[in-house]
Amino acid sequence: RKEVEQDPGPFNVPEGATVAFNCTYSNSASQSFFWYRQDCRKEPKLLMSVYSSGNEDGRFTAQLNRASQYISLLIRDSKLSDSATYLCVVNPPSNYQLIWGAGTKLIIKP
Amino acid sequence: DTGVSQDPRHKITKRGQNVTFRCDPISEHNRLYWYRQTLGQGPEFLTYFQNEAQLEKSRLLSDRFSAERPKGSFSTLEIQRTEQGDSAMYLCASGTRQDEAFFGQGTRLTVV
Repeated sequence: RKEVEQDPGPFNVPEGATVAFNCTYSNSASQSFFWYRQDCRKEPKLLMSVYSSGNEDGRFTAQLNRASQYISLLIRDSKLSDSATYLCVVNPPSNYQLIWGAGTKLIIKP
Repeated sequence: DTGVSQDPRHKITKRGQNVTFRCDPISEHNRLYWYRQTLGQGPEFLTYFQNEAQLEKSRLLSDRFSAERPKGSFSTLEIQRTEQGDSAMYLCASGTRQDEAFFGQGTRLTVV
């Protein structure tokens, strides 16, 4: 089992719709979680951190479910500019590195 | 621009040649990471420096790969005797905490 797993998609979603995707992680002791966004042929950029209580940033909501070991990202009122690959990132304990999922590709259509 | 800088942005090389990439992290960042990313995959960890010390290397980093950060500032990643399977985007990231990573724009390597 991969340490971090994501549905690769693509998710094809009409503009204005709400879309959500999950990411599961295998190390129950993981402590920090993040969503990064990566545009085609560009570097990943931090979208938001995921806190135990969940957090919201505008149209984006991230949640953590420790019992089931997954994090989620919800995008409301999707825009064409939201089209990108969304990477789930987990910070396990006793590790120098972040563990990355393979990403979920999102395509917003007009 | 005070972000992470990588050079070159693109490199095309013939199989068997050696290549070297450079990364200049954000100046106050003591942590520096190298990742490799291929199409449809997330970044794969290669190696990590804290200041000038190389503290972790992935098993992906064969003996053809070597990385240095001699003065705890910029870092270089060298690939010797390149193979077609080395074609990828090589990403450098820096930060001040374990849960922090600011990425450069990457060096795209194509081995022909």
